[in-house]
Amino acid sequence: DIQMTQSPSSLSASVGDRVSITCRASQSISNYLNWYQQKRGKAPNLLIYAASSLQNGVPSRFSGSGSGTDFTLTISGLQPEDFAVYYCQQSYTTPYTFGPGTKVDI
Amino acid sequence: EVQLVQSGGEVKKPGGSLKISCKASGYSFTTYWIGWVRQMPGKGLEWMGMIFPGDSDIRYSPSFQGQVTISADKSINTAYLQWSSLKASDTAIYYCARQEGTLAGKVAFDIWGQGTMVTISS
Repeated sequence: DIQMTQSPSSLSASVGDRVSITCRASQSISNYLNWYQQKRGKAPNLLIYAASSLQNGVPSRFSGSGSGTDFTLTISGLQPEDFAVYYCQQSYTTPYTFGPGTKVDI
Repeated sequence: EVQLVQSGGEVKKPGGSLKISCKASGYSFTTYWIGWVRQMPGKGLEWMGMIFPGDSDIRYSPSFQGQVTISADKSINTAYLQWSSLKASDTAIYYCARQEGTLAGKVAFDIWGQGTMVTISS
């Protein structure tokens, strides 16, 4: 299985901050990397797919970059509703493993 | 509206069997994959497996192979996840989710069900 790691595991930030979360794969996954946001008690929500493509309806303050093994999710101008846990997922080969998550506190 | 609606929460005893469902609407059920994701209490997301209802192609995670069975009934646009012998460690929220493709297109879960809470306790 491809192992996914994320850093940091948690972070605290203020409204308006620029926040970056890193995801690393144990082998090259090209651009088969997705980012999800999960709010407490809710199902996950797709933010970014194929490393950098913004899902329909997702605010443009969310962006993704990277390829190969190293990827970044950036939130430009953090909003109060962005308090959540963020997961990366590789979809290069099954099992489509998730990272352990990054908790963002506002 | 595209949506996945899952069956309600379940409380079962260890050793029992269970089948939970995920009903799709608003899109062509046979042209998208349906995946299942486990979330144990207070933990992260785990990919369990997926099915392509169009031809019943199924992929399992090695961690879940033999522990659960994924199926689908395309006549009623419904996917299933079932257990034949439940364990306390199966206690979790189980989500179904839709995926467009595996090699091209949107290889990601873009629509999610609301989740089914499964509690296994004696």
